[in-house]
Amino acid sequence: DQQVKQNSPSLSVQEGRISILNCDYTNSMFDYFLWYKKYPAEGPTFLISISSIKDKNEDGRFTVFLNKSAKHLSLHIVPSQPGDSAVYFCAASGAGIETSGSRLTFGEGTQLTVNP
Amino acid sequence: EPEVTQTPSHQVTQMGQEVILRCVPISNHLYFYWYRQILGQKVEFLVSFYNNEISEKSEIFDDQFSVERPDGSNFTLKIRSTKLEDSAMYFCASRNNAPPYEQYFGPGTRLTVT
Repeated sequence: DQQVKQNSPSLSVQEGRISILNCDYTNSMFDYFLWYKKYPAEGPTFLISISSIKDKNEDGRFTVFLNKSAKHLSLHIVPSQPGDSAVYFCAASGAGIETSGSRLTFGEGTQLTVNP
Repeated sequence: EPEVTQTPSHQVTQMGQEVILRCVPISNHLYFYWYRQILGQKVEFLVSFYNNEISEKSEIFDDQFSVERPDGSNFTLKIRSTKLEDSAMYFCASRNNAPPYEQYFGPGTRLTVT
């Protein structure tokens, strides 16, 4: 099942710089996308989401960009902090998330390391 | 801040035994989910539950699996006869019906089948 793919298993950046995490999807029925981060021995924690009717959503240091024609989204973290070091998962949901218990389809995750 | 809780944090069982994984979702949430993550693999959807019934299930969720919301607060996943390949981290999640529709995840139960 390769419907959601994160091609970079790891990313290392310096504190204060930008982190860019990428995600591609193949299923054109996906229309809602979420980013989660996960620390060891914890469950995924929601970061930010975007609906397919938008191309950008921003929340503090986190911005998600969606390129629907390319079936690509990215998460930008600016500035990166050492506490951001975690595994970041991209997840996608199908149509009708408002009224259905739509499942999330996850990517493989990217381990982000922010060096002081 | 409200959170999803799961018990136990780690369960070791022998192949063929039944296990019940327990979850307490956030109290005003309406949708409930189970996911699992086999070591080194993706987080995979198992089942969603709404209005006291299964709303969707994956191909993984076969007759060996069942879910229940027995008392309005707990949400359980039962595996009737565990197999070695059921060893995984099992996550419970819940959400309400308001934007941004995020699912809140519990810390997980690590199931080890020997």
